[in-house]
Amino acid sequence: KQEVTQIPAALSVPEGENLVLNCSFTDSAIYNLQWFRQDPGKGLTSLLLIQSSQREQTSGRLNASLDKSSGRSTLYIAASQPGDSATYLCAVEGGADGLTFGKGTHLIIQP
Amino acid sequence: DAMVIQNPRYQVTQFGKPVTLSCSQTLNHNVMYWYQQKSSQAPKLLFHYYDKDFNNEADTPDNFQSRRPNTSFCFLDIRSPGLGDAAMYLCATSRGGGIEQYFGPGTRLTVT
Repeated sequence: KQEVTQIPAALSVPEGENLVLNCSFTDSAIYNLQWFRQDPGKGLTSLLLIQSSQREQTSGRLNASLDKSSGRSTLYIAASQPGDSATYLCAVEGGADGLTFGKGTHLIIQP
Repeated sequence: DAMVIQNPRYQVTQFGKPVTLSCSQTLNHNVMYWYQQKSSQAPKLLFHYYDKDFNNEADTPDNFQSRRPNTSFCFLDIRSPGLGDAAMYLCATSRGGGIEQYFGPGTRLTVT
């Protein structure tokens, strides 16, 4: 059974810093990996999707990498802003069975 | 804009009183999913429909059922809600397995 772990569980950094969020998964037989953002009490906003054949994806200040063989992904956030404060969730898909999520990293960017 | 819509956004029900949550989509996607997210926990897949084919996760309680009357709509029925069913319920759609999923805003269920 697939398990997804995210480290750290919480992170607080000053505005302007670059930061890295980590995600690991136990079964490397995945179709894709998605990173989501969740604001308090809200639904999920998709940030980046990496197909299993890809190594990374970029969107603005965000860059996500995937090392499928080692079961790891990182989300890099450049020049962090207070508006980036949210919970970041990593999820993997092994087929038509839906996503398996990690518990997320709760990020606070201090002004 | 094409999107995934969930109604209501907030639902309060009494212990044991049946409740139905609604999801609709304008994306014309084949697959619709229901996830449950309890406080500070990861979203957990309850079930999904691939077109009309229903797929139930092995550990989804019997208390939870779903209906998909057409491509656009999917419903989550909780027959006898318990206090432990209080959670955010998230609906998602995709064009198929292994393809990006799009989420609705969620329905927060409170059981009193």
